Amino acid sequence: AQSVTQLDSQVPVFEEAPVELRCNYSSSVSVYLFWYVQYPNQGLQLLLKYLSGSTLVKGINGFEAEFNKSQTSFHLRKPSVHISDTAEYFCALTGGGNKLTFGTGTQLKVEL
Amino acid sequence: NAGVTQTPKFRILKIGQSMTLQCAQDMNHNYMYWYRQDPGMGLKLIYYSVGAGITDKGEVPNGYNVSRSTTEDFPLRLELAAPSQTSVYFCASGPRRDSNEQFFGPGTRLTVL
Repeated sequence: AQSVTQLDSQVPVFEEAPVELRCNYSSSVSVYLFWYVQYPNQGLQLLLKYLSGSTLVKGINGFEAEFNKSQTSFHLRKPSVHISDTAEYFCALTGGGNKLTFGTGTQLKVEL
Repeated sequence: NAGVTQTPKFRILKIGQSMTLQCAQDMNHNYMYWYRQDPGMGLKLIYYSVGAGITDKGEVPNGYNVSRSTTEDFPLRLELAAPSQTSVYFCASGPRRDSNEQFFGPGTRLTVL
């Protein structure tokens, strides 16, 4: 069985501050990992993905994530957030099958 | 490309009514999915399809049905609406690749009263 844990349901941060959204996973097979972003009243949009190769993955809007196999983590980071980054962020994985397993999401609230 | 489209955007149903949520994609993707999203619960897979004529149950299929007669369309049917089906429903599609990247529609917000 596979699972994704996002321990932080909400993360408040001031504009221009750095942020890290945590994601840990459990799987008995090799995984592909994703971060999706959901802006208010919209569908999910792919932010970045780790398939193989370099463990540091860069995505859209200045976000990046690092795959750490030993710690089974895939934390999302941004060095300086903007008010427009306020959204819900979902970590997800697949073990190479045709289904994604999602975490419960982290609400990022950027304040002035 | 329009990507993944869903209709309607919003709907209110009475208990016991039925309805079909429409989903279409124009990216020639083999895989299509239906999820429901409830607050604090993330996304739960209802049904999925790996190609026309092939569907399978996900985590939470009870109370729903699907069909996949074409590559483009993947409608979700609610036969006897219940308050527990109040949710936001997302359709997604993806190409046949091991990476299983999925592309999402804008969602349908359904309320059952």
